[in-house]
Amino acid sequence: GEEVAQTPKHLVRGEGQKAKLYCAPIKGHSYVFWYQQVLKNEFKFLISFQNENVFDETGMPKERFSAKCLPNSPCSLEIQATKLEDSAVYFCASSQSSGSGYTFGSGTRLTVV
Amino acid sequence: AQSVTQLGSHVSVSEGALVLLRCNYSSSVPPYLFWYVQYPNQGLQLLLKYTSAATLVKGINGFEAEFKKSETSFHLTKPSAHMSDAAEYFCAVSEGDSSYKLIFGSGTRLLVRP
Repeated sequence: GEEVAQTPKHLVRGEGQKAKLYCAPIKGHSYVFWYQQVLKNEFKFLISFQNENVFDETGMPKERFSAKCLPNSPCSLEIQATKLEDSAVYFCASSQSSGSGYTFGSGTRLTVV
Repeated sequence: AQSVTQLGSHVSVSEGALVLLRCNYSSSVPPYLFWYVQYPNQGLQLLLKYTSAATLVKGINGFEAEFKKSETSFHLTKPSAHMSDAAEYFCAVSEGDSSYKLIFGSGTRLLVRP
């Protein structure tokens, strides 16, 4: 399809629980990106993939965050042992290349209580 | 290291007035530049992009932006604001081939007064 599909739209987890977010990129787009939007505006880059390979993971808090993009499956972002500060909206985006622009999904709002 | 500065966290204009949202960037290589709009509780929608072709870029909804290398700026304009333009606007930079990730500015909230 022509949209990036993110599920679920909302996710509530107790502190210490696991959270798993999903992203189906646009067909034909080789690159997938995850961003975290906190404090109303700030966007933080987490990780990117080129097909199923990690392309850039410089933004990932590696202790508790992990991500995968496997063939024929939605990409996923998993947070083990969530903390209150993980509360944010997580956006996925896909792109054919850097110059073609990025198409964003509508986000998953994670609330850790 | 790349960075983006958006001057003014809030901009208020009257309906029909000129919209000017400012964006300055720093990049060690020729950048790709983007403007995105975010409506409440929604994702980011691409308004326009600069990828080293024409310096004046036209986008959707009547918006345009001009790349000025000497000023390291990529300001967003629209001649006449509509009520429906009220939203959050983000400028972003990418280093193109070396790193595909976007670095975002902190956003500017556009308020349109009737």
